[in-house]
Amino acid sequence: AQSVTQLGSHVSVSEGALVLLRCNYSSSVPPYLFWYVQYPNQGLQLLLKYTSAATLVKGINGFEAEFKKSETSFHLTKPSAHMSDAAEYFCAVIPSGAGSYQLTFGKGTKLSVIP
Amino acid sequence: DAGVIQSPRHEVTEMGQEVTLRCKPISGHNSLFWYRQTMMRGLELLIYFNNNVPIDDSGMPEDRFSAKMPNASFSTLKIQPSEPRDSAVYFCASSSGTGGLGYTFGSGTRLTVV
Repeated sequence: AQSVTQLGSHVSVSEGALVLLRCNYSSSVPPYLFWYVQYPNQGLQLLLKYTSAATLVKGINGFEAEFKKSETSFHLTKPSAHMSDAAEYFCAVIPSGAGSYQLTFGKGTKLSVIP
Repeated sequence: DAGVIQSPRHEVTEMGQEVTLRCKPISGHNSLFWYRQTMMRGLELLIYFNNNVPIDDSGMPEDRFSAKMPNASFSTLKIQPSEPRDSAVYFCASSSGTGGLGYTFGSGTRLTVV
């Protein structure tokens, strides 16, 4: 079964600092990869996705993620944190292949931004 | 596009009562998913519908849980009887397909069973 590991349940950064949220997947075949963001008391919003095209994926709100097959990683970055980025971030995978639907989430990383 | 609409946003009920959660997917989306989010277990897939037909209900915790999709624009998740351990946030999501498309989530229903 597919699984995804997010290193660090809590990450704190200063406003204006680099944001780096880590995600590793376990699969011999690269899956489809996603990052979702959840603001307090809200649903999950898709930030970006990797579907075997470009390895560097740009998403909304200035976030981007790089797919590295050799490291089985899909880390999320943003050059300069903003207060509004404070939220919980989830990495998720779906096995590649036609008809795959099982979206498996990591445990989540809560990002705090310090003014 | 109104997005995926869930109701109610919050539900507080007593143990033993029946609870019905509702979802309206995005028009034109033929895949619908129910997820449950808890602190202990994170986000779990409960059931997946494709073209209104349940395809995978292996995540439904037990027989107290049931889900229906009578048409393309409406789905329900019912818990009968409810128990305190059912307290969680329940999300509905929809998609125009599967695989790499990504799913659009509703705002969720926060269920508290006392």
